[in-house]
Amino acid sequence: QQPVQSPQAVILREGEDAVINCSSSKALYSVHWYRQKHGEAPVFLMILLKGGEQKGHEKISASFNEKKQQSSLYLTASQLSYSGTYFCLFGNEKLTFGTGTRLTIIP
Amino acid sequence: GAVVSQHPSWVICKSGTSVKIECRSLDFQATTMFWYRQFPKQSLMLMATSNEGSKATYEQGVEKDKFLINHASLTLSTLTVTSAHPEDSSFYICSAPGRGHSGANVLTFGAGSRLTVL
Repeated sequence: QQPVQSPQAVILREGEDAVINCSSSKALYSVHWYRQKHGEAPVFLMILLKGGEQKGHEKISASFNEKKQQSSLYLTASQLSYSGTYFCLFGNEKLTFGTGTRLTIIP
Repeated sequence: GAVVSQHPSWVICKSGTSVKIECRSLDFQATTMFWYRQFPKQSLMLMATSNEGSKATYEQGVEKDKFLINHASLTLSTLTVTSAHPEDSSFYICSAPGRGHSGANVLTFGAGSRLTVL
């Protein structure tokens, strides 16, 4: 079953913050986050391996709650380059992509 | 880092013809390759998993006779869409698992192939 992401789409002004949530109905071993620009392949952002683990890269960070089978991606002080569709991917018995969140950053 | 080369990047074909898409791992060996299909404004849906030296594993609802997958070597996997029809028009992407900096498996994607069937 496909992990569910929320929101489905969000529009931000440059500099604003956003949170993207991802939840699964199955037990999780790891969470990956990817960003896809239109017409391109997804690009790996980060992977979280342990429950409660948080990771970050510049102004993008993520958390992983293994017990709740949820992960959240945090984008702070968003930049125009952050626009794209974000996907979570849960590593369990299959690598299944989430439903996706389309992020649009406007100047 | 790991690179997966996918060709062609786009193809237009007539209904009823077959199209082959290739994915090569350039600087690492990929014993497994995942094939995804993505329709506009939708997520990537896993079609099948190819394994070097054995038969591919197809996801439920994917016709194995229509989408032929061959993993000929440790660096090459191919997807052939046979007797293509307009409803097969989509973005097809391959990916291979590899070791990331953390030591865990991360996916390296090919650039994708956009198929348009007229």
